[in-house]
Amino acid sequence: AQSVTQLDSQVPVFEEAPVELRCNYSSSVSVYLFWYVQYPNQGLQLLLKYLSGSTLVKGINGFEAEFNKSQTSFHLRKPSVHISDTAEYFCAVSVGSSNNNDMRFGAGTRLTVKP
Amino acid sequence: DGGITQSPKYLFRKEGQNVTLSCEQNLNHDAMYWYRQDPGQGLRLIYYSQIVNDFQKGDIAEGYSVSREKKESFPLTVTSAQKNPTAFYLCASSIDQITGVSPDTQYFGPGTRLTVL
Repeated sequence: AQSVTQLDSQVPVFEEAPVELRCNYSSSVSVYLFWYVQYPNQGLQLLLKYLSGSTLVKGINGFEAEFNKSQTSFHLRKPSVHISDTAEYFCAVSVGSSNNNDMRFGAGTRLTVKP
Repeated sequence: DGGITQSPKYLFRKEGQNVTLSCEQNLNHDAMYWYRQDPGQGLRLIYYSQIVNDFQKGDIAEGYSVSREKKESFPLTVTSAQKNPTAFYLCASSIDQITGVSPDTQYFGPGTRLTVL
């Protein structure tokens, strides 16, 4: 079965600095990858997803992620963060099927942007 | 506006009680899901349903039950058999995946925080 590891549970960063949130996955078959953001006491909102094609995926709010098959990674990046980016970020993986019931989520990375 | 609603936002339960969490969507999605979120553990799938009158257990179904009598609604009952129910519960939905070729985005509701007193 597939699994996801988010390497950092917390990432503090100053406003306007770049940030990278790391995500590694394990799977023996092809995968689909997702990044979601969760603001306090709210549901999850999709930031971006990789299904196929270009390995560099651009999402909302200036975020992007790069699928690296050889390193089994899907790290999320933003060149300049804002205070409003403070939230919890989840990486998720689904294997090569049409079902969403096999989606697995990482434990989350809490991004804190300081002024 | 289209979306997913969950109610109540906060719920308190005494030990031994069953409680039901509501989830409604007007996105015309066929598939619906229930997740449990605990600090530091991400989301874990409780139950999912791909079509009306059908549902399947997820990874942590013990102590929970669901029904899917209408396409728009997927209520979750937390029974007294669930030994540690205090958590944040999230409902999600997605477009029919039975005939899809790749997984589609899951849309999440705002969540219900359940606390056992």
